Amino acid sequence: DAGVIQSPRHEVTEMGQEVTLRCKPISGHDYLFWYRQTMMRGLELLIYFNNNVPIDDSGMPEDRFSAKMPNASFSTLKIQPSEPRDSAVYFCASRAQGPNTEAFFGQGTRLTVV
Amino acid sequence: RKEVEQDPGPFNVPEGATVAFNCTYSNSASQSFFWYRQDCRKEPKLLMSVYSSGNEDGRFTAQLNRASQYISLLIRDSKLSDSATYLCVVNNQGGKLIFGQGTELSVKP
Repeated sequence: DAGVIQSPRHEVTEMGQEVTLRCKPISGHDYLFWYRQTMMRGLELLIYFNNNVPIDDSGMPEDRFSAKMPNASFSTLKIQPSEPRDSAVYFCASRAQGPNTEAFFGQGTRLTVV
Repeated sequence: RKEVEQDPGPFNVPEGATVAFNCTYSNSASQSFFWYRQDCRKEPKLLMSVYSSGNEDGRFTAQLNRASQYISLLIRDSKLSDSATYLCVVNNQGGKLIFGQGTELSVKP
């Protein structure tokens, strides 16, 4: 398996534009997580899915952020409209069922909003 | 209060030193625990799981104290290649994975 695949790797956009981040989890994994990492706040959980169903989106900063998982092999995180304070590295991770299973991360998307 | 708290460091130690990282968590119903390692500008990767009886993997020892809601990681005979950020991770009910802010370690020659 190629691991968790995220695209794009880097994104530079202007304030007010819509940004869509994409993630392909590892095949057979039941959980998918979206995290945001900044120097100030560390790795924050935004939302996670179990079997394509959103379980907890309490970490989503505001209504400008939305996430979907239309099927087991694809998820998107959308920011509309984007703001400079959204600049961060966004990671997607997936894991199999079970409390002791390892979470595997994608390489992240480095987002810069100017 | 954050759900998972760590001393952010940085910890600057010489090669060969022993260094310990601590982590506390707030949810007493947390089910499982991990240490992840993150190298600069890379994604986090699993270092080791943490079991109630404590566990060791080479130079690394992890301990869990459920009563005190406390997790630790001990690195013995530190190497230059151990320089990284170490993330404490807690698995809560429903499979929710919460990361601490991470502790930065720098091992110097």
